[in-house]
Amino acid sequence: DQQVKQNSPSLSVQEGRISILNCDYTNSMFDYFLWYKKYPAEGPTFLISISSIKDKNEDGRFTVFLNKSAKHLSLHIVPSQPGDSAVYFCAARASGGYQKVTFGTGTKLQVIP
Amino acid sequence: DGGITQSPKYLFRKEGQNVTLSCEQNLNHDAMYWYRQDPGQGLRLIYYSQIVNDFQKGDIAEGYSVSREKKESFPLTVTSAQKNPTAFYLCASSTPPAEAFFGQGTRLTVV
Repeated sequence: DQQVKQNSPSLSVQEGRISILNCDYTNSMFDYFLWYKKYPAEGPTFLISISSIKDKNEDGRFTVFLNKSAKHLSLHIVPSQPGDSAVYFCAARASGGYQKVTFGTGTKLQVIP
Repeated sequence: DGGITQSPKYLFRKEGQNVTLSCEQNLNHDAMYWYRQDPGQGLRLIYYSQIVNDFQKGDIAEGYSVSREKKESFPLTVTSAQKNPTAFYLCASSTPPAEAFFGQGTRLTVV
């Protein structure tokens, strides 16, 4: 049972345009969401997160939007740069002491120069 | 530099052999984790440890074992009972509820 879903395995975007990566979740107990970026043969690096008490969080070129009623979040990258080409993982966690983080299957973003 | 070190980067194992993957962190994080990445399946949790001398099974613990004798170390043993061990293994650490930091990974190949 995939509780965190990234339905687009890949995405291609022209340099300078907006990249939008989507993520859906099914577990209503999730209240903290994270995005990680991963290059081949390397470990993921943390990018940005959002708590369920917010609907938007922004960090430079990266903005995450959360729609709790739809159980949907998205990562916007504006403007996209070739160095953004990587696999992006959406992840989610429930609150209350330690809670494991559940990852999605990832979306491979290619930014075309 | 603070960080997480996984070794080796590449590892080859013969069928039927046990093999241990190393993970060390100097971030003073309480929690440590092992994930496995397979193509198209994201990251799946194998084991995690919240404190020294304590650990819990994740979603796919069968065929794996771990120990947490020191705060900074969390080695993973892939045993011969693991039916499909070829994968990319990732170690991470955190002090919850903050985000986890990952190592560079170990690619294990069974030959």
